[in-house]
Amino acid sequence: GQNIDQPTEMTATEGAIVQINCTYQTSGFNGLFWYQQHAGEAPTFLSYNVLDGLEEKGRFSSFLSRSKGYSYLLLKELQMKDSASYLCAVRDQDYKLSFGAGTTVTVRA
Amino acid sequence: IAGITQAPTSQILAAGRRMTLRCTQDMRHNAMYWYRQDLGLGLRLIHYSNTAGTTGKGEVPDGYSVSRANTDDFPLTLASAVPSQTSVYFCASSEGELDTQYFGPGTRLTVL
Repeated sequence: GQNIDQPTEMTATEGAIVQINCTYQTSGFNGLFWYQQHAGEAPTFLSYNVLDGLEEKGRFSSFLSRSKGYSYLLLKELQMKDSASYLCAVRDQDYKLSFGAGTTVTVRA
Repeated sequence: IAGITQAPTSQILAAGRRMTLRCTQDMRHNAMYWYRQDLGLGLRLIHYSNTAGTTGKGEVPDGYSVSRANTDDFPLTLASAVPSQTSVYFCASSEGELDTQYFGPGTRLTVL
């Protein structure tokens, strides 16, 4: 089966930086996705990594190391609206997504 | 319509009843998916369809069935609902199986 681990909760202050780690053990690897999900809403796509390295998109960056089975999502200049759950998902050898349980980030003033 | 729509938004259902959750997309995406989301477990794939006329089983298919008669619609049916099927159900679609998945707003289902 698939095993995707990420912390359950994180708290940070407005304007700060938070790093959400994700480790995975899956049947094959065809890319890693990060989604944001506000309470009661649908997940929305944030980033995609398939090669090792850092992908930057505005205040959000995502890093991947395939050899270590590791990724992180970096949120910079935190805003109150960034309070949400962040889901790590790995696409396996059958091109299906397996999701971690999600990390709930709370941004405090 | 823009994107993916799901109906109903929420539903309370008696155990043993039959229920169909509807999902429609207007993006002409080939692939569609059904997930359930439970607290502490994350999203789990129920069934998927890579193209109209084909379907496949995901991680937790038991008790659910799907059909894909055309590109736009992908209904999920619970033949005889049980309380363990209480969950939030999300439909998603992607242009192809190698592309990013986009999610509908979800259906909150409670089986009593």
